[in-house]
Amino acid sequence: AQKITQTQPGMFVQEKEAVTLDCTYDTSDPSYGLFWYKQPSSGEMIFLIYQGSYDQQNATEGRYSLNFQKARKSANLVISASQLGDSAMYFCAIQGGSEKLVFGKGTKLTVNP
Amino acid sequence: DAGITQSPRHKVTETGTPVTLRCHQTENHRYMYWYRQDPGHGLRLIHYSYGVKDTDKGEVSDGYSVSRSKTEDFLLTLESATSSQTSVYFCAISDGLAGSSYNEQFFGPGTRLTVL
Repeated sequence: AQKITQTQPGMFVQEKEAVTLDCTYDTSDPSYGLFWYKQPSSGEMIFLIYQGSYDQQNATEGRYSLNFQKARKSANLVISASQLGDSAMYFCAIQGGSEKLVFGKGTKLTVNP
Repeated sequence: DAGITQSPRHKVTETGTPVTLRCHQTENHRYMYWYRQDPGHGLRLIHYSYGVKDTDKGEVSDGYSVSRSKTEDFLLTLESATSSQTSVYFCAISDGLAGSSYNEQFFGPGTRLTVL
């Protein structure tokens, strides 16, 4: 079974600053993937970034990067140069040996001008 | 954007009535999923399908059934709706390609269901 823990219910950041959203996971699968999704107030789920358990390098996608520390079982999302449009809920999710995703409870990010 | 639609987008119903939500995709993806989203719980998997007529239970399947008679359609049925099933329901799809390092799930716009 997989589990995702997001310990920050809410985070605040000033525009143009960087912010880190925490995600820790637990799994017994030797191979797994970690995903981050963004959910703005409009409600849609938007895929941001993926990290495979055997990937040698941390994933990056534009202003998003994933700080993957396998030994610590953490997969933190780093957003650089925050923008007002980054205000949203952010969900971390894990996919193990099956096609199923297990989501964390999310972190609400507010970017202040 | 992946072609996923959900219908209806909003529904209000009464306790004890049957409700069916429809997810339709135009991507010919193999896998389809139903999630519910509730405050404080994130998204939780209800049921998923790995092919026509092939379905399996997720984390919160009690009170729900699903059917998939065609690749493009995945139906979620609440046989007798209860107030605890008031939620936002999301459908998702993935292609599950063999040998792929990961299978991103694409989400539909969601259905807001209120059971009075």
